Amino acid sequence: EAQVTQNPRYLITVTGKKLTVTCSQNMNHEYMSWYRQDPGLGLRQIYYSMNVEVTDKGDVPEGYKVSRKEKRNFPLILESPSPNQTSLYFCASSLFAGDGYNEQFFGPGTRLTVL
Amino acid sequence: AQTVTQSQPEMSVQEAETVTLSCTYDTSESNYYLFWYKQPPSRQMILVIRQEAYKQQNATENRFSVNFQKAAKSFSLKISDSQLGDTAMYFCAFTEAGGTSYGKLTFGQGTILTVHP
Repeated sequence: EAQVTQNPRYLITVTGKKLTVTCSQNMNHEYMSWYRQDPGLGLRQIYYSMNVEVTDKGDVPEGYKVSRKEKRNFPLILESPSPNQTSLYFCASSLFAGDGYNEQFFGPGTRLTVL
Repeated sequence: AQTVTQSQPEMSVQEAETVTLSCTYDTSESNYYLFWYKQPPSRQMILVIRQEAYKQQNATENRFSVNFQKAAKSFSLKISDSQLGDTAMYFCAFTEAGGTSYGKLTFGQGTILTVHP
């Protein structure tokens, strides 16, 4: 089954304790992206990757890191989480379409709480 | 920078009736795509409908249709024959076609729709 998976689905942690949220897709997609969802703000892009070893900042990258060592995986790293990073996180992926657009497939979301 | 605005935080409708959700956007691009996503209580993001800016014809998917007014930068979603399963948060979203912001979706704030029996 074609899908985007995220782990963990729920996480409660404390300020300053490094964590990684994994994202994996089995559709051979070049493009992958991370979003965070907050009430009243919708979803905002954190980081994206056009392909292996190619990543760039989105609109809200502060406090986050990413890597793209393999095509299928795009982990989100919070090296020193703070309470303002409490949010719902989504990973998404798609085929690259040049001048057009291909539908992005979203993961199931990760609910992160930082105390 | 592109912006997307949904001015209705919450809407409600009776089962079998029709409801329209509003969305406006701002961009200087001429080639772009607009979307409506549904987010039920499961939190999954589900694409409801998509509109290419170069197409004048409004997109339709079964009970869902849009009213795309390019000059007014308006993109509303009409849900006909509302069903209880339509209860969800709905997001309007925008993306450029290609360009330096390839793939980036800009979302509105969301509208919570409740369908009452």
